[in-house]
Amino acid sequence: GNSVTQMEGPVTLSEEAFLTINCTYTATGYPSLFWYVQYPGEGLQLLLKATKADDKGSNKGFEATYRKETTSFHLEKGSVQVSDSAVYFCALYNTNAGKSTFGDGTTLTVKP
Amino acid sequence: DGGITQSPKYLFRKEGQNVTLSCEQNLNHDAMYWYRQDPGQGLRLIYYSQIVNDFQKGDIAEGYSVSREKKESFPLTVTSAQKNPTAFYLCASRSTGDNSPLHFGNGTRLTVT
Repeated sequence: GNSVTQMEGPVTLSEEAFLTINCTYTATGYPSLFWYVQYPGEGLQLLLKATKADDKGSNKGFEATYRKETTSFHLEKGSVQVSDSAVYFCALYNTNAGKSTFGDGTTLTVKP
Repeated sequence: DGGITQSPKYLFRKEGQNVTLSCEQNLNHDAMYWYRQDPGQGLRLIYYSQIVNDFQKGDIAEGYSVSREKKESFPLTVTSAQKNPTAFYLCASRSTGDNSPLHFGNGTRLTVT
């Protein structure tokens, strides 16, 4: 079956630090990969996506590259801000399953 | 603006009562989903529907029921059979196509006492 494993949190960083949140997946076929972000009390929002091997998704300074050889989709940002504090979810969508599979989420706190 | 509307934002019920959570979308999406989120945990799929008048059980369907009579609407009923109903409930939709992301509502926080 499909599964997503995310780096356990919580993660606490100082402003302007480098961020990496690891994500690896198991899936049959060629899934699409996504990062979503959730701010307190809200639903999830799409942060970025990649649909095939070696694609790089990017948005708001965040990046992630679809690595089929290592089945990974790690999220990175060069310089985090306090406003990036949120919960980040890695997810995949596989047409065979007709539904998305989510990681457990990683809570990021950025301190001034 | 297109989006997904969940109502109400907060809902309080007594144990033993059924309660229905509303989810409406005006994105013209075929597929709709209900997730449950408990504190500090990820999302667990309750039910999903890929087309009107059809739906499938997710990973934790016991104690819940849904209907999909209209494309825009996918209400979730939390029945008295659900043993731990207090949670944050998220509705989502997506268009067909492998590359399409999920669009989420802002959730309903249900508290049962």
